[in-house]
Parts: sequence; C-alpha cells; structure tokens
Amino acid sequence: TQLLEQSPQFLSIQEGENLTVYCNSSSVFSSLQWYRQEPGEGPVLLVTVVTGGEVKKLKRLTFQFGDARKDSSLHITAAQPGDTGLYLCAGTGNAGGTSYGKLTFGQGTILTVHP
Amino acid sequence: KAGVTQTPRYLIKTRGQQVTLSCSPISGHRSVSWYQQTPGQGLQFLFEYFSETQRNKGNFPGRFSGRQFSNSRSEMNVSTLELGDSALYLCASSFQGAFEKLFFGSGTQLSVL
Repeated sequence: TQLLEQSPQFLSIQEGENLTVYCNSSSVFSSLQWYRQEPGEGPVLLVTVVTGGEVKKLKRLTFQFGDARKDSSLHITAAQPGDTGLYLCAGTGNAGGTSYGKLTFGQGTILTVHP
Repeated sequence: KAGVTQTPRYLIKTRGQQVTLSCSPISGHRSVSWYQQTPGQGLQFLFEYFSETQRNKGNFPGRFSGRQFSNSRSEMNVSTLELGDSALYLCASSFQGAFEKLFFGSGTQLSVL
C-alpha cells in the first residue's frame, strides 16, 4: 500500500512570510500532484511533477519532486491571505489497472495566512 | 465548458437507510472516479468507472457501489448507512483516467444521524 505523509498538518503565518510543505513516502510514484481545496469546494490541481528532480514554478509557488520520486515539496514565497486553504499532495501509481482514476492523497496541510 | 456537477450538495440520512449520489462529468470525459473525504482519514479512493465498466476499486466494504451510464454520468450508492459514512463524497472526471489531471466536483456532504 502506497502512503503519503504530509507535514505540517497546520500552518498559521503572517502575510509576507515564506513557508514550505513536505510530502514524503517510502514508495515511488509515477508523478506527484499538488491540489488546493477551499471550504465547500473540491480540490483544484495546481501542478503535476513527473521527472525526478523536477522543479516547477507557478508565480510565488515552487514545487519540487525528489530525485527518487518518493517525496515532494511546495514552497510559497511572500504568502498572501488569498493563499489560505487546504493543500494536498497526491501521487499516481505505476502503470497498470490498479492506477486508473486513483490518486493516493496526503492528509493535507491547512494553511492560514493572516493579514 | 461546464465543470463536474454533483447532486445533491447536502444530504441528511439516518442509520440503516441507503443513499444515491449523482455525478455528471465534464463533456467528453469518459472516466469518473469517486473519493470519500473525512477529517480523520483525508481523501480515500472508492472506485473508478470508464465506459460503463468499473476498472479500479479501493478498500471499501461492499455497501459502497457505483455505476456509470452510457453518457458517462455516474452514480454511487451506499446501503445500510453507518454513522461513520458521514463524509464529503467527491467525484472527479478525466478523459481516460490514467495519470491525468482530475477535475473534481464540489462534492456531496452526507450526514448520517
């Protein structure tokens, strides 16, 4: 069974601060996705990383996939109140029938950015 | 382009009852997946359907079932409801369901009393 451990579980910071969320596993994933979910809504995909060592940037957000494809991180620079939400990492398994439609999600990080 | 539509948004049931949730995927998407989200367990995969066939299934009891129609719309059913079934049930669609971006609906919040 593939598991993803996400940390920290809660993060409360002031506007302008930087933060990093980690997603770790003992299993190898074909790809890692990061989602953001707001109350009363479904998760919305932010980015997908596929290659070991890959780094992707989305404005103030930087995503990194570990060299061994077992871990990932999300770094937010100069956080803003609009960044508040639940951040989820999710891994896709290896090729085969057991991967169809299935994402393995981390427990999530609830981020609160205070003005 | 309309997003994934889930109905109803909220549902209150009592123990022992059964419930049916509905999901309309994005037009052209043939894969529909279902997830259960709870504060304690997070998001857990229930099952995936493609062209009316269940291709993948998570570790949930047989009380949880689903089906997909020829127009790709999907329903999931939970029979003999238990208090622990209270959760947000999310549906997601994609073109083929393999290593793709999933588009999630807003979910159905089920409360079992």
